[in-house]
Amino acid sequence: DAGITQSPRYKITETGRQVTLMCHQTWSHSYMFWYRQDLGHGLRLIYYSAAADITDKGEVPDGYVVSRSKTENFPLTLESATRSQTSVYFCASTLAVTYNEQFFGPGTRLTVL
Amino acid sequence: DAKTTQPTSMDCAEGRAANLPCNHSTISGNEYVYWYRQIHSQGPQYIIHGLKNNETNEMASLIITEDRKSSTLILPHATLRDTAVYYCIVRVLYNAGNNRKLIWGLGTSLAVNP
Repeated sequence: DAGITQSPRYKITETGRQVTLMCHQTWSHSYMFWYRQDLGHGLRLIYYSAAADITDKGEVPDGYVVSRSKTENFPLTLESATRSQTSVYFCASTLAVTYNEQFFGPGTRLTVL
Repeated sequence: DAKTTQPTSMDCAEGRAANLPCNHSTISGNEYVYWYRQIHSQGPQYIIHGLKNNETNEMASLIITEDRKSSTLILPHATLRDTAVYYCIVRVLYNAGNNRKLIWGLGTSLAVNP
């Protein structure tokens, strides 16, 4: 199906484990983003990517790693999960930095025990 | 830190206009105001954006005050499907204007009642 998808939709893991959240978009958008959403905070940008093999840090990058070997995929890895990383994670994409609308995926709810 | 403040919650009767206020008193001259909404358990959805002039599209209207310190999102005929959290966001420039990012606030939870 066309659009932006995330997997898994729900994940429970333990402290110290590595977790990878997947994001896939079918529009060939150049820009992709990872946000986290927590109670008491607005969405906060973790990492973004302007194109394949180009990534940059957002507001809260510590503890996360990203890669973008293909335009359509933008995985987010928690190398050693901590309880403070329990959150809902959203991936988004947009055509270009000057484009006004970001398209969001359905989110991944991650619980770190 | 968020650059916007919004009421925590609002109610609206179905079929009536919903007027959602937002304060952004520290906004800079080149920073746009964006509105997104988030229906329960879904990703945010773009609604509208503006800089100085009022804007209208098929979803809503955006009224920005002349001093740009506040704005109002108007849903002209609210339906039950408009029940959502509405975010007023400022888009800021950084890296000498080469990059843009959205600064999200906490949003207004709008309940449209039958």
